[in-house]
Amino acid sequence: QVQLQESGPGLVKPSETLSLTCTVSGGSISTYYWNWIRQPAGEGLQWIGRINGGGSTNYNPSLKSPVTISVDTSKKQLFLNLSSVTAADTAIYYCARDGLSRALDIWGQGTMVTVSS
Amino acid sequence: DIQMTQSPSSLSASVGDRVTITCRASQSISTYLNWYQQKPGKAPNLLIFAASSLQIGVPSRFRGSGSGTDFTLTISSLQPEDFVTYYCQQSYTTPRTFGQGTKVEIK
Repeated sequence: QVQLQESGPGLVKPSETLSLTCTVSGGSISTYYWNWIRQPAGEGLQWIGRINGGGSTNYNPSLKSPVTISVDTSKKQLFLNLSSVTAADTAIYYCARDGLSRALDIWGQGTMVTVSS
Repeated sequence: DIQMTQSPSSLSASVGDRVTITCRASQSISTYLNWYQQKPGKAPNLLIFAASSLQIGVPSRFRGSGSGTDFTLTISSLQPEDFVTYYCQQSYTTPRTFGQGTKVEIK
């Protein structure tokens, strides 16, 4: 059974880089697209971007902070870097698998990141 | 970007009621429409994919329909665990976009 686990610092200072890792267990990372989604407290879901096992990426152009998503297939990990963060980047960050159905069929539990000095 | 508009943003209902949530896309997305349920403090959970296909393990009281720009999620008989928040999402193109959510509350 495929499981996803996000990890990373819970607190990031303004103007610094937010870096998160999503570790995939129980299945292949190569076959699918893997997404990052975030959710500010009490608000809706915002898609950040995605990457496949070959490193092909798509990003949400509406994000104000520059985004980079990368993957290490040997470690079965994907990475999110969000640079020059502001308080508006405070949110729960989720990784999720784009299933064969093109829906987000498996999600991590999420990790809370606060941007504050 | 494709805008997804859900309505209502919240609704009040009782156990056993039939409820319908609508989702409208700003352009045609064929049947590339998914529905998620989110319980407080938890990650979203896929209920319906491709507009009308029930995800494995999801109770049959959940039903999705629609194509093009207009979609609905119907819960035929609300159970106590269904009083949570629901989101639609288009997977027609990137950036993927979500509706703003519909919170189902107990009347």
